[in-house]
Amino acid sequence: DTAVSQTPKYLVTQMGNDKSIKCEQNLGHDTMYWYKQDSKKFLKIMFSYNNKELIINETVPNRFSPKSPDKAHLNLHINSLELGDSAVYFCASSQNRGPSTNEKLFFGSGTQLSVL
Amino acid sequence: LAKTTQPISMDSYEGQEVNITCSHNNIATNDYITWYQQFPSQGPRFIIQGYKTKVTNEVASLFIPADRKSSTLSLPRVSLSDTAVYYCLVGGGYSTLTFGKGTMLLVSP
Repeated sequence: DTAVSQTPKYLVTQMGNDKSIKCEQNLGHDTMYWYKQDSKKFLKIMFSYNNKELIINETVPNRFSPKSPDKAHLNLHINSLELGDSAVYFCASSQNRGPSTNEKLFFGSGTQLSVL
Repeated sequence: LAKTTQPISMDSYEGQEVNITCSHNNIATNDYITWYQQFPSQGPRFIIQGYKTKVTNEVASLFIPADRKSSTLSLPRVSLSDTAVYYCLVGGGYSTLTFGKGTMLLVSP
C-alpha cells in the first residue's frame, strides 16, 4: 500500500535509447511532480501536473515529456538519452493545486537512471 | 523566493539533541517554513511545517523567532537512524517546491 510508487527502481541503458519511468499515487492527491536529483544531490523540480493539466514546466530539454493519463498517474518519457541524464528521478504528489501557501510533498523512492 | 542558508553538515552522537538552524532573511509575510528528511536511496520525507512560534510533532520541533528570519529544527535524542540530509524550504506557492543543498547530519554511536 505504498503511497507514491514509481517503477523501475533502477534503469540502465545506452545513449540514444528512449525510456519511460512510471509513477502512481494512491493518496487521492490532485497534483503530481517529477524531480531530478543529480550526483551533487541537488533536487530540482522538472514538471508538475494538476488533474492531468501541466502547471509547472521548468527549463528541461524537450527530450523529456511527462504524460498524465489521470490524476493518479504521472509518467516520464525520455527520448534520445544522454550521459548527462544520469541521475535519480523522484516522483512526488501533494494534495492541493499550486500555488498554495503550504504544499506538503510525498515522494516516491526514486528511479536510479544510468546512461552508458 | 526566500533564499535559505543552512549548514552543509553536522555531527552528533546517539542520545543527544540536535538543532539545525536555517536562515531565511527575506522571508515573505505569507511564507511557510517546511523541513524534509532524506535517507540514502529514498525520496525526501516531510517532517514538520510552521509559520511562527513553535510547532511540535512526534518526530521533531520547529522553533521560529518573532522576526521569522530563521528557524531551528530540533531533533530530540537522536539515534543512528536519524543520519540523513535535512532540507529547509521557505516560501509560498511554487517556491515551496524548491530544495536547497540541505544539511547532512551524521549520528555516531
